[in-house]
Amino acid sequence: AQSVTQLGSHVSVSEGALVLLRCNYSSSVPPYLFWYVQYPNQGLQLLLKYTSAATLVKGINGFEAEFKKSETSFHLTKPSAHMSDAAEYFCAVSDIGAGSYQLTFGKGTKLSVIP
Amino acid sequence: EAQVTQNPRYLITVTGKKLTVTCSQNMNHEYMSWYRQDPGLGLRQIYYSMNVEVTDKGDVPEGYKVSRKEKRNFPLILESPSPNQTSLYFCASRLGDSNTGELFFGEGSRLTVL
Repeated sequence: AQSVTQLGSHVSVSEGALVLLRCNYSSSVPPYLFWYVQYPNQGLQLLLKYTSAATLVKGINGFEAEFKKSETSFHLTKPSAHMSDAAEYFCAVSDIGAGSYQLTFGKGTKLSVIP
Repeated sequence: EAQVTQNPRYLITVTGKKLTVTCSQNMNHEYMSWYRQDPGLGLRQIYYSMNVEVTDKGDVPEGYKVSRKEKRNFPLILESPSPNQTSLYFCASRLGDSNTGELFFGEGSRLTVL
């Protein structure tokens, strides 16, 4: 089964600073990769996804992620953090098991933005 | 408005008292799934359903049951809840024919078992 590792359960950045959230996947075959965001007291929503087209993927709210096969990584970045970016972020990988198209989530990274 | 609706949002119950968390989606999605979210463990899949009358176990199915009698509904049943089932539960749905599709999540149901 596929798996993802998110480095850092908690990341703090200052408002206006670069946001970098790390995600590495374990697979010899490049999977489909996703980032979801969970704002406080809400469900998850899709931020962006990589599905074997462009390796640099742009998402909502100014976030982007780059798929790097050589590093088995899909790190999420945003040039300038905003207070509203404070949330928990989950990297996820598709897992084709008997045609069921399962998503396996990482353990999440909670982003705090300091004014 | 496209949405996944879960009820109840909050529930406190006692060990052994059967409960059901309902989930309904209005997007005509074939695929539905239940997850539980625990601090430091992320989201773990409990059960999923590819379509009506088709359900299968996820990673942590013990202590849970599901049914899929209608396309829009996918209730989660705890026959005899125990304290280790205290958690935040999410229902999600997606079009069933692709592994690149977006999962749509409900707002979550926070369950406490005393």
